[in-house]
Amino acid sequence: GAGVSQSPSNKVTEKGKDVELRCDPISGHTALYWYRQSLGQGLEFLIYFQGNSAPDKSGLPSDRFSAERTGGSVSTLTIQRTQQEDSAVYLCASSLDLRGLGAEAFFGQGTRLTVV
Amino acid sequence: GQSLEQPSEVTAVEGAIVQINCTYQTSGFYGLSWYQQHDGGAPTFLSYNALDGLEETGRFSSFLSRSDSYGYLLLQELQMKDSASYFCAVRDRGGSQGNLIFGKGTKLSVKP
Repeated sequence: GAGVSQSPSNKVTEKGKDVELRCDPISGHTALYWYRQSLGQGLEFLIYFQGNSAPDKSGLPSDRFSAERTGGSVSTLTIQRTQQEDSAVYLCASSLDLRGLGAEAFFGQGTRLTVV
Repeated sequence: GQSLEQPSEVTAVEGAIVQINCTYQTSGFYGLSWYQQHDGGAPTFLSYNALDGLEETGRFSSFLSRSDSYGYLLLQELQMKDSASYFCAVRDRGGSQGNLIFGKGTKLSVKP
């Protein structure tokens, strides 16, 4: 696609329910990142996928959070038993693996998650 | 690990010059990037410094000094549309090769 696509754009869920957030990266981008952003706050790193390497999951805030990336392309972030503190915008980004050359990261528009 | 510090807010007037600083502690990184994010929008890439020195892109310039663990974004001829949040980020060269870690962002308000 032309850019990074995330779905849904908005999600309202009841506390305790599970949610799945989807990210379609730019074709050919081997690096994929998930971040969480609360209102007016910074970008909190969640998880990083790079090619066929084991993902860096060190940013996941609890074991209720998990993510997978199938076929080196689409990624799904799953939050189980959602809590009100999970309410935030979840941003996905992708880039080429040109580490030393900078490799601009392209962001999707995010999924705004509201837990009620 | 990686840690980046930025001022939380900066205010300037239209036509002025503003500098947003970023200091960092890192176990190793490839370079320093800057991203811009307007309210309600997605972050977009502005610049990247792999080497020490100044990189210029139009009204925006970015600087890196590895010896001082310091960088900055310089915005000249400020316009109202420059009101946004600005994030510095490092690309990890340590335990999470290639990962992109962000500072908490600086909210720039440009006044008429």
